Parts: sequence; C-alpha cells; structure tokens
Amino acid sequence: KNEVEQSPQNLTAQEGEFITINCSYSVGISALHWLQQHPGGGIVSLFMLSSGKKKHGRLIATINIQEKHSSLHITASHPRDSAVYICAVRSGTDKLIFGTGTRLQVFP
Amino acid sequence: DAGVIQSPRHEVTEMGQEVTLRCKPISGHNSLFWYRQTMMRGLELLIYFNNNVPIDDSGMPEDRFSAKMPNASFSTLKIQPSEPRDSAVYFCASTPTRQETQYFGPGTRLLVL
Repeated sequence: KNEVEQSPQNLTAQEGEFITINCSYSVGISALHWLQQHPGGGIVSLFMLSSGKKKHGRLIATINIQEKHSSLHITASHPRDSAVYICAVRSGTDKLIFGTGTRLQVFP
Repeated sequence: DAGVIQSPRHEVTEMGQEVTLRCKPISGHNSLFWYRQTMMRGLELLIYFNNNVPIDDSGMPEDRFSAKMPNASFSTLKIQPSEPRDSAVYFCASTPTRQETQYFGPGTRLLVL
C-alpha cells in the first residue's frame, strides 16, 4: 500500500463545476503539499499546509491531521485548470513522499 | 528572478554513456532537491542538499548515480554509465529553507537508447 493515496486517479468535469481531489496518507507528517503539473510538464507548488485551510483564488486546500486526509477544491472550474494534481507529504526526515496524482480534464 | 534553471532541457544518449544534468537554484535558496519522474513510479526524491551539503541520498538508485553541489548556485546529477531504465524526467527544485514551498525547474527529459 502506498504511503500517500490520491483519489480519484482521473477526473473529468464541465466548465464551472466544483471539483474535489482527495489525499490520504499513512505516515506522520510535518507538512503536506499540493502540486500542479501542466500538460507541458512544468510543476508548480500550489499550497503547503500543516493544519486548517488555505485559499488562493479559486483553489482551496484543507487538511485534517487527525484523519490524515487532505482535500483540494477548485471552484468554478475552467479548462485551464486541466492538469495533474499531486499530493506530497513531508515526513519527519524532510523527504517528500508523493502520491500518484489525479489527472483532471475540464471541458468547455 | 529567472526561477530554477535546468540544462539541458532534453537529452538523448546511448546506453553506457555518461550523462550530466545541471541545475541552478533560485538565488538565496538554501535547499536543493533532485527528483525523478517516470510513468511507472511517479515522482521520487533522489537526493537533497542543505547549504550545499548532501542531507539525504537514500533515493539515489545505485552507484551509477552521483550528485554534487560545489557552491550555492550550482548542482549536478551525473549518471555513469547510463541505462535505458534511467529514461525519465529529472526535476530540480529549491527552497529558501527545508521547511518551505519548493520551486521546481522545468525538468530535463532524458532518453537513454
């Protein structure tokens, strides 16, 4: 079993829909990252959080430390949100452990 | 700031050849990470440096891989000899400290024939 599990693996949506991507982990962590990888391959860090919730534009990330679970929400989705979203947790050794990613496609 | 710079962006080589990937972190960042991404295994941490010192190289696959950071503005990842299974995208990332958001370079796409 992977230490970081994401669901769903693939997600399609119509423009304007509310999207949720989930991440569960089984190790102790000091922080959790959400990354976005565009079709061209570039990786952008969206959020780093260790508790509560963070918001940036239409993106919201939440984390529940007790349940070892995080969600990434996208409100009013747009085709330009189409990308692979990767959850990564930082363990006590500072290593990042990555989930396998969620491939999101938003259609006009 | 130009962001994290990696070179080359693409590399095609033959099995057995030496490959050197280069990374220039963002100026002022103290930590540098090398990652590998494949379809089968996703993103994996290979090694990371803090203040030019290797902290954790447990992700380096085997002795054919080596990484150096001779100064705060430059790091190399070397594969010698290269094998077809080394084909992947190699990313470099840097952060101001180990505890902060990571900034990724554009990656080097390596194909070993």
